[in-house]
Amino acid sequence: GENVEQHPSTLSVQEGDSAVIKCTYSDSASNYFPWYKQELGKRPQLIIDIRSNVGEKKDQRIAVTLNKTAKHFSLHITETQPEDSAVYFCAALNDYKLSFGAGTTVTVRA
Amino acid sequence: DTGVSQDPRHKITKRGQNVTFRCDPISEHNRLYWYRQTLGQGPEFLTYFQNEAQLEKSRLLSDRFSAERPKGSFSTLEIQRTEQGDSAMYLCASSLDRADLGLGAFFGQGTRLTVV
Repeated sequence: GENVEQHPSTLSVQEGDSAVIKCTYSDSASNYFPWYKQELGKRPQLIIDIRSNVGEKKDQRIAVTLNKTAKHFSLHITETQPEDSAVYFCAALNDYKLSFGAGTTVTVRA
Repeated sequence: DTGVSQDPRHKITKRGQNVTFRCDPISEHNRLYWYRQTLGQGPEFLTYFQNEAQLEKSRLLSDRFSAERPKGSFSTLEIQRTEQGDSAMYLCASSLDRADLGLGAFFGQGTRLTVV
């Protein structure tokens, strides 16, 4: 089955700096890669996604990149703000099964 | 609220008791997932429904766990003879299986189970 690894597990950044989270996946058949943000005590919220036929996608301050050959994808958050503090999860979809990474706790220091 | 809803939000039960959770997906979504999340971990896949058909059940699920989606709409997850190790957040998610309309899975608020 699919195995998604996510790094780092924790990330502390100064407000205004950029944050980068990286994930790798094992199954080359995976074709869709969403990212979720989960605040304490709340549900995971889909924040951005990318399909396997696209190399990069951007939405305001967040962007995702995908390297199918290397089987890794990344989330980039620019100009971080305190409200970006949360746990971020990457995931990979293979047919119908969505497999998640272990999460990255992002703390934005004011 | 037209999102995924789960009931109850919290459940405290004694070890050995049975519990049942309910999930109402987004109305037009035909895919429904159950996940389990423990503190500091990502959601772990438990089972998946395409309409009313249960297409996969994780090896994580023992025979004490059963899930149904009888009419392809809401789903229930039952845990029999609960154990302390079952304590976790149980998340339900739904999605469409049409790539042209989006593949994103949307989560409910979850049911937090505590077995004492």
